[in-house]
Amino acid sequence: TQLLEQSPQFLSIQEGENLTVYCNSSSVFSSLQWYRQEPGEGPVLLVTVVTGGEVKKLKRLTFQFGDARKDSSLHITAAQPGDTGLYLCAGAGAGNMLTFGGGTRLMVKP
Amino acid sequence: GAVVSQHPSRVICKSGTSVKIECRSLDFQATTMFWYRQFPKQSLMLMATSNEGSKATYEQGVEKDKFLINHASLTLSTLTVTSAHPEDSSFYICSARGVGGRGNEQFFGPGTRLTVL
Repeated sequence: TQLLEQSPQFLSIQEGENLTVYCNSSSVFSSLQWYRQEPGEGPVLLVTVVTGGEVKKLKRLTFQFGDARKDSSLHITAAQPGDTGLYLCAGAGAGNMLTFGGGTRLMVKP
Repeated sequence: GAVVSQHPSRVICKSGTSVKIECRSLDFQATTMFWYRQFPKQSLMLMATSNEGSKATYEQGVEKDKFLINHASLTLSTLTVTSAHPEDSSFYICSARGVGGRGNEQFFGPGTRLTVL
């Protein structure tokens, strides 16, 4: 069974601060996806990283896939209240089945 | 592109009744659809995987006779919660995976909030 540990579980910061969310596993994933979910809605795909060491940027969000494809990070620069939500990482393993991390609940206070 | 819809978005039912939730891929063909359950402030728990035209594969601990899944076409899967009880109250989310270059990606529906009284 593949496990994906996500940290921190909860993060409350002030607007303008930077933050990093981590996903770690002992398993290798063929790809890793990051989602953002707002209350009462389904997760929305932010990015997919495929290659070890890959870095992708989405405005103020920077995603990195570890060289060994076992871990990933999401860094948000100058967080805004609109960034508030549940961030989920999910690794694709055998058969492209997704293993979800436990989620990071981010609250950005104005 | 890659839009997945769910219906209904919210349902309240009496204990003992059955509830059907529909999941549709609107602009792509979904060879595989997934059903997840999410409790408040928690991550998604995979319930079952369904491939078009074949029986669903259920995760350990998920009762297949209670959570009936049908994936009759490449754009529609249904989840029926039979004889629902209050402990079945949850947020149910489907996702769909298509073919071709984006075959690794799952696209999620907006979820269905089920409340069993």
